[in-house]
Amino acid sequence: SQKIEQNSEALNIQEGKTATLTCNYTNYSPAYLQWYRQDPGRGPVFLLLIRENEKEKRKERLKVTFDTTLKQSLFHITASQPADSATYLCARVYNQGGKLIFGQGTELSVKP
Amino acid sequence: DADVTQTPRNRITKTGKRIMLECSQTKGHDRMYWYRQDPGLGLRLIYYSFDVKDINKGEISDGYSVSRQAQAKFSLSLESAIPNQTALYFCATESSAGPYEQYFGPGTRLTVT
Repeated sequence: SQKIEQNSEALNIQEGKTATLTCNYTNYSPAYLQWYRQDPGRGPVFLLLIRENEKEKRKERLKVTFDTTLKQSLFHITASQPADSATYLCARVYNQGGKLIFGQGTELSVKP
Repeated sequence: DADVTQTPRNRITKTGKRIMLECSQTKGHDRMYWYRQDPGLGLRLIYYSFDVKDINKGEISDGYSVSRQAQAKFSLSLESAIPNQTALYFCATESSAGPYEQYFGPGTRLTVT
């Protein structure tokens, strides 16, 4: 079965440092992976999508990589801020369309 | 106004009761989804609909049913609520034209006693 796994342990870092979150998947590489941010008690918010043929995608302080050899995506937040504290969810598309399979999320805490 | 709305936002109900959660969207998207979220388990797909006449079971559909009343409305029903259906429920929408990002509602916190 297709699975997607994120480090369930919370990540604590100091303000200004780079946060790196890991997402690993099983079986064949999905056509794309997505990353979402979720604040407590609220719905997830889309951040970035990276396709199978893209090595890296950037958006402001965010960077996502997709390594089909390692079956892994890394999510980086540079110059992290306390406002970046949230849970970050990785999701893979199921087959070619529509349905997403979500990881359990990694909680990030950025301390001032 | 929010693009994806869910009602109610909070609900406490008793075991055996039938309950309906409603989702409406103004984004004009054709695809809609229902998820539940439990601590440590992430988001799990209950049902999804790619258009008004298309309804599909997700990963955990037992005990649930859905209705797509219009392109903008997708309702989730618990026929006979049980305590292990206590969870946070999210509706999401997506456009089949891409870029395939999903837009989530604010969630409904359901407690079954």
